[in-house]
Amino acid sequence: EPEVTQTPSHQVTQMGQEVILRCVPISNHLYFYWYRQILGQKVEFLVSFYNNEISEKSEIFDDQFSVERPDGSNFTLKIRSTKLEDSAMYFCASSEEYRYGYTFGSGTRLTVV
Amino acid sequence: DQQVKQNSPSLSVQEGRISILNCDYTNSMFDYFLWYKKYPAEGPTFLISISSIKDKNEDGRFTVFLNKSAKHLSLHIVPSQPGDSAVYFCAASAGGAGSARQLTFGSGTQLTVLP
Repeated sequence: EPEVTQTPSHQVTQMGQEVILRCVPISNHLYFYWYRQILGQKVEFLVSFYNNEISEKSEIFDDQFSVERPDGSNFTLKIRSTKLEDSAMYFCASSEEYRYGYTFGSGTRLTVV
Repeated sequence: DQQVKQNSPSLSVQEGRISILNCDYTNSMFDYFLWYKKYPAEGPTFLISISSIKDKNEDGRFTVFLNKSAKHLSLHIVPSQPGDSAVYFCAASAGGAGSARQLTFGSGTQLTVLP
């Protein structure tokens, strides 16, 4: 069964440092997403990406965040200057079309110290 | 702003019996609803979905019911198995047919199926 692959599975970074979270979506999917889940809280939408541009972004996705699909297979989330409150599980997801559901990766646990 | 609510944080059910997980929503623009299952240290796994034009969708042991007037949906699992023990999330989306729809998630219900 096709999978969404995320690397690394766990990243520890110092406050103020830049991090890049990587994702390889399913190859024939057209829509790409990042979500996050802070410990004990809901899964929250960050950003959606389609046709090489951001479709929609949440209030959380401020100027410190950016996404890129640099080579047609990878999909990255960059946090420019991490804060303690960015510590969370970050999930990448992709979909062929909304009616078929979204396939999530297993997540990257980001710990900002 | 809790547009999607799962009011029961946990549910325990005996193996072989029915599990019923509930979800309420407030945003009348939502027209597509999904259930996901999540194990610890894994991403959510898609289970079943329903469009707002239907009131029931079935896939094997899983059935989702939608009551639009009450803004309520439920997931029935029959018969429940110990491997079903996980956190179940309800999610909803709104938007156009070709759009990259964001999902709004509920807070999840921990289902425990007792052998």
